[in-house]
Amino acid sequence: GAGVSQTPSNKVTEKGKYVELRCDPISGHTALYWYRQSLGQGPEFLIYFQGTGAADDSGLPNDRFFAVRPEGSVSTLKIQRTERGDSAVYLCASSFSEGKQFFGPGTRLTVL
Amino acid sequence: RKEVEQDPGPFNVPEGATVAFNCTYSNSASQSFFWYRQDCRKEPKLLMSVYSSGNEDGRFTAQLNRASQYISLLIRDSKLSDSATYLCVVKANQAGTALIFGKGTTLSVSS
Repeated sequence: GAGVSQTPSNKVTEKGKYVELRCDPISGHTALYWYRQSLGQGPEFLIYFQGTGAADDSGLPNDRFFAVRPEGSVSTLKIQRTERGDSAVYLCASSFSEGKQFFGPGTRLTVL
Repeated sequence: RKEVEQDPGPFNVPEGATVAFNCTYSNSASQSFFWYRQDCRKEPKLLMSVYSSGNEDGRFTAQLNRASQYISLLIRDSKLSDSATYLCVVKANQAGTALIFGKGTTLSVSS
């Protein structure tokens, strides 16, 4: 079966621009997570959805970051006024409720 | 202090060597523990869960010491294909809580 997919795989943007990153979870998975991984670091939690609602957004670094999951499946992570420090790999994971999290291949964001 | 701390690495070992990775966690409420493997420019993948009783999967053995808040991973008879970054991961017990990752330790196995 298909795993978690993320698009685009790579995104290069200029400082100050707006970007959207998409995650398609495994079909039927109710929980969806976004993480961010900077070079030489482990992934860091950003936000968790259970169904359509954001159950925990405590990891979002500031109000430039926002995520939605309007139909309880696909999720979009939105970053406004991008900064060079936002450059990282953005990972999405999904799971059945509190079960094992399966990760997608990530989107590599580069802010110039 | 970071929630999950790991050996800094990198570990460079010859094929056939035994190598051990250590990890400590700061949140005593953590209830689930894992080792993930991450290949270069790939996503993390679950290697194994870690239990207080210890668990073994082929050449890999994981141990948990709750009193010391310490987790270990032992790899015996290292293979070239074991070269990767190994991430120590903890999770609180509430449903849906996020995984907390260490920085990872890089292993390079050479022939």
